[in-house]
Amino acid sequence: AQSVTQPDIHITVSEGASLELRCNYSYGATPYLFWYVQSPGQGLQLLLKYFSGDTLVQGIKGFEAEFKRSQSSFNLRKPSVHWSDAAEYFCAVGAESGGSNYKLTFGKGTLLTVNP
Amino acid sequence: DGGITQSPKYLFRKEGQNVTLSCEQNLNHDAMYWYRQDPGQGLRLIYYSQIVNDFQKGDIAEGYSVSREKKESFPLTVTSAQKNPTAFYLCASSINGYTDTQYFGPGTRLTVL
Repeated sequence: AQSVTQPDIHITVSEGASLELRCNYSYGATPYLFWYVQSPGQGLQLLLKYFSGDTLVQGIKGFEAEFKRSQSSFNLRKPSVHWSDAAEYFCAVGAESGGSNYKLTFGKGTLLTVNP
Repeated sequence: DGGITQSPKYLFRKEGQNVTLSCEQNLNHDAMYWYRQDPGQGLRLIYYSQIVNDFQKGDIAEGYSVSREKKESFPLTVTSAQKNPTAFYLCASSINGYTDTQYFGPGTRLTVL
């Protein structure tokens, strides 16, 4: 079965600084990879996804992520963080599991705080 | 506008009572999902449904039940058998399986007193 690790529980950055959120996955083949964002008390919104092709994926709100097969990683980046980016970020893996093609496995999330 | 609605946003119940959370979507998606979110735990799958009149247990189905009588509706019942029901519950839908983006509702926060 697949698994997802987000090593950083909480990250604090200053507004305007660059950001990188880490995500490592475990799966025998190349899975489908997603990054979602959640504002407090709200649902999740998709930032970007990777299925195949170019390993650098562009998403909404100026975010990008890079798939590195050799490192089993799918790290999320943003060159300059805005105060409105403060939220919780979840990495997710989609792959066939237990005969089901419908399950996503989520990481435990990284909470981002942005200092003015 | 197309989307997913969950109601109510906040729900309070006494211990031992069953409670049903509503989830409706007008995206014409076949698949629907229920997740439970606890602080520091990420999202855990409770139940999912691939098509009307069919649903499957997720990773933490004990103490929960669902139905899927209509394509647009996927209500979740939290029964008295669920030992720790206080949590944030999220409903989602997708066109098909894990290759498709899941779209999430705003969530229902259930507090059992």
